[in-house]
Amino acid sequence: GAGVSQTPSNKVTEKGKYVELRCDPISGHTALYWYRQSLGQGPEFLIYFQGTGAADDSGLPNDRFFAVRPEGSVSTLKIQRTERGDSAVYLCASSPGDRVSGNTIYFGEGSWLTVV
Amino acid sequence: DAKTTQPPSMDCAEGRAANLPCNHSTISGNEYVYWYRQIHSQGPQYIIHGLKNNETNEMASLIITEDRKSSTLILPHATLRDTAVYYCIVSYTDYKLSFGAGTTVTVRA
Repeated sequence: GAGVSQTPSNKVTEKGKYVELRCDPISGHTALYWYRQSLGQGPEFLIYFQGTGAADDSGLPNDRFFAVRPEGSVSTLKIQRTERGDSAVYLCASSPGDRVSGNTIYFGEGSWLTVV
Repeated sequence: DAKTTQPPSMDCAEGRAANLPCNHSTISGNEYVYWYRQIHSQGPQYIIHGLKNNETNEMASLIITEDRKSSTLILPHATLRDTAVYYCIVSYTDYKLSFGAGTTVTVRA
């Protein structure tokens, strides 16, 4: 499809396990974003990539969270030693990224993570 | 980024215009006003954005007051599919959006 694709759509994991969430942005989009949305709340910014580099990772909650985008396209969000509080929908988004502001950001459907 | 204030909920009748208000009294001169919506269990969907001038696209119109301290999103002919949470966001950069609680809009037949 032409939209942002995220896999898996649902993931249940045990506390303490390692999890990877994948995002395939819209073709040609240089900017990629990860957000997290807890139940009943609006999405919260985690990290922003421009190309291969993380331009702003100030939203990552702690060092258990890490994201990569090695070839400037697909990105993986990695969570180590998962905790029950990590349960949320993890949203990926992309945009053309050709200017600082005024871009339209397109979101994926999200990966629902449940830590039991 | 400037904070926004939206009513927590509102109802509107199908086929009528829905006017969603947003206050952003601390907005800076280079900050855009963005509107997104989120239909249940889906990712946020971009609606419209503007800086100073009113904007219109196929989904909605955005009216920004002259002092830029408030704005209104207008859905011209609301349908049941427009039932969603609507977020008004003010930001200089489009990547670090603070979504807040939004307005839950329920369109009734």
